[in-house]
Amino acid sequence: DAGVTQSPTHLIKTRGQQVTLRCSPISGHKSVSWYQQVLGQGPQFIFQYYEKEERGRGNFPDRFSARQFPNYSSELNVNALLLGDSALYLCASSSWDGYNEQFFGPGTRLTVL
Amino acid sequence: AQKITQTQPGMFVQEKEAVTLDCTYDTSDPSYGLFWYKQPSSGEMIFLIYQGSYDQQNATEGRYSLNFQKARKSANLVISASQLGDSAMYFCAMSSIQGAQKLVFGQGTRLTINP
Repeated sequence: DAGVTQSPTHLIKTRGQQVTLRCSPISGHKSVSWYQQVLGQGPQFIFQYYEKEERGRGNFPDRFSARQFPNYSSELNVNALLLGDSALYLCASSSWDGYNEQFFGPGTRLTVL
Repeated sequence: AQKITQTQPGMFVQEKEAVTLDCTYDTSDPSYGLFWYKQPSSGEMIFLIYQGSYDQQNATEGRYSLNFQKARKSANLVISASQLGDSAMYFCAMSSIQGAQKLVFGQGTRLTINP
């Protein structure tokens, strides 16, 4: 079975631009979460979606938004990019909404120049 | 708010030795979950082991075991018979009843296994 997939793998943008990152969860998984990992730090929670509804939001500005589609794939959008948005963006999926392991994708490395 | 503290930025261990990675946590929630993830240089986070706050026994998964001491709020990862492929960053994380899927991560420990 395929794991969590993310696209693109790498992305280079300039300040002020907008970016869309994509995530496909493991087949049968209905929960998708997004994390930002700045170099040298642990991942920080951005959003969680379950059954197409937002279930959680981390301490990120409104420039960050996300959505989940009927097939449970998800997009993370970041507007008005700042240099500080440069990071590895990780998507994770799990089978349900409670305590259970989340399976992470390979991430999208975003560089903002 | 939950907080995870990993006090070992780096650890160096000889191959085949056991290694303990430290993790302490802080939460006021009565119910929570504790996780360990491994992150190789490729960047992907690999789930290793999970411990629920009400679990009576320490979790084990192959060479990984979690030394859970609830009163001390610690959840140390023990890797037995370390292998060269164990070299990676290791993150301790937790979630609570207010957001079971919202993982709070520590700063990580970089483990290097020497041949």
